[in-house]
Amino acid sequence: QSALTQPASVSGSPGQSITISCTGTSSDIGTYNYVSWYQQHPGKAPKLVIHDVSDRPSGVSNRFSGSKSGNTASLTISGLQAEDEADYYCYSYTTSSTGVFGTGTKVTVL
Amino acid sequence: EVQLVESGGGLIQVGGSLRLSCAASGITVSSNYMSWVRQAPGKGLEWVSIIHSSGTTYYADSVKGRFTISRDSSKDTLFLQMNSLRAEDTALYYCARAGLSKYYSGLKRGHYFDYWGQGTLVTVSS
Repeated sequence: QSALTQPASVSGSPGQSITISCTGTSSDIGTYNYVSWYQQHPGKAPKLVIHDVSDRPSGVSNRFSGSKSGNTASLTISGLQAEDEADYYCYSYTTSSTGVFGTGTKVTVL
Repeated sequence: EVQLVESGGGLIQVGGSLRLSCAASGITVSSNYMSWVRQAPGKGLEWVSIIHSSGTTYYADSVKGRFTISRDSSKDTLFLQMNSLRAEDTALYYCARAGLSKYYSGLKRGHYFDYWGQGTLVTVSS
């Protein structure tokens, strides 16, 4: 199972919106709406920010939103803040009942 | 409050074996889907294995046949037995609770990782 494809880096100024893409195949993202997104600050464990493509866990800012079209899922962060600077990973359930993470995207707040 | 605490990591030679543990509090390990995720130094996250509440297990191709996930219900502890270790297994190993999607796709139901431990470092040296 190959890793899902994400851009290596995305940047934006405070207050702007950015979108991170996550491209898979018909064996994962294309078949199921079981995409989740994780935020990871340096030296910390990952934190869930979106599950089931667009559901936001309790306590996560509504500036985080998710969507999906075909084999590609997306995470949008609106009103970018300094604290959003981190690595972001997508994850999908697969047709083999296994899981696969994305390659990861470093978000920089300019 | 849910807490997951990993232990058992360390320095091991290529070809050796190691058993990782994940002690859980605030949840019952046997009633949940539990998973191991690893992260090589400076690299991204890699899904390793999952055990369902039914006991069914799944593995990434990179560890299949070498790693075994299991649990001890009496101790609320998750394990990862790692055999025939390779240099590329060097990573920080996280234990995570896999929350289940409220949506079904046929008979299948996806998962996501809502609780994570802080990880235990495994270094495989030649």
